[in-house]
Amino acid sequence: QLQLRESGPGLVKPSETLSLTCTVSGGSISSSNYYWGWIRQPPGKGLEWIGSIYHSGSTYYNPSLKSRVTISVDTSKNQFSLKLSSVTATDTAVYYCARPQVRGAISDAFDIWGQGTRVTVSS
Amino acid sequence: DIQMTQSPSSLSASVGDRVTITCRTSQRITTFLNWYQQKPGKAPKLLIYATSNLQTGVPSRFSGSGSGTDFTLTISSLQPEDFATYYCQQSYSTPLTFGGGAKVEIK
Repeated sequence: QLQLRESGPGLVKPSETLSLTCTVSGGSISSSNYYWGWIRQPPGKGLEWIGSIYHSGSTYYNPSLKSRVTISVDTSKNQFSLKLSSVTATDTAVYYCARPQVRGAISDAFDIWGQGTRVTVSS
Repeated sequence: DIQMTQSPSSLSASVGDRVTITCRTSQRITTFLNWYQQKPGKAPKLLIYATSNLQTGVPSRFSGSGSGTDFTLTISSLQPEDFATYYCQQSYSTPLTFGGGAKVEIK
């Protein structure tokens, strides 16, 4: 059974870079032909898609965050990662990694989610 | 970007009630509309994909309908475990976008 788990610092200082990793278990990133995504949710607010990556490294980003976001994949570790630079308090959120239902689909419903990791931006 | 507007943003209902939540999109998305349920402290759970397809394991009291720009999630008989926040999401084009949520509370 495929599982996703986010990890990384829970506290990041303003202007620094937020770095999170999603570890995939129960399946292989490199052979699965899925796009793997990052989604965030500020406290008490709705969901925002950050971006997605294919095992080949092909990426799609939300234009609202594109200048600050880098998503990468490490198939040898079965992980994909998120870096968000120059963070401010508005980047405080629960960050989820997720996988869409359909192989090869960048635009799709997400049927498998990690449990989420809370990141606070504060000095 | 495709804007998603959910209504109502919150509602109070009783067990056994029929509940309807609406999602309107800023442009036509055919049937590329998905619904999620989220409980406090938990990740969203996919309920319905492509407007009307029930995800495996989701009770049949949940249903979805619509096309174009107007979509509906219906819970035919509200159960205690259904009290949660519901989000719509369009998968027609990137950036993928979500509605603001509809919180279903106990009356």
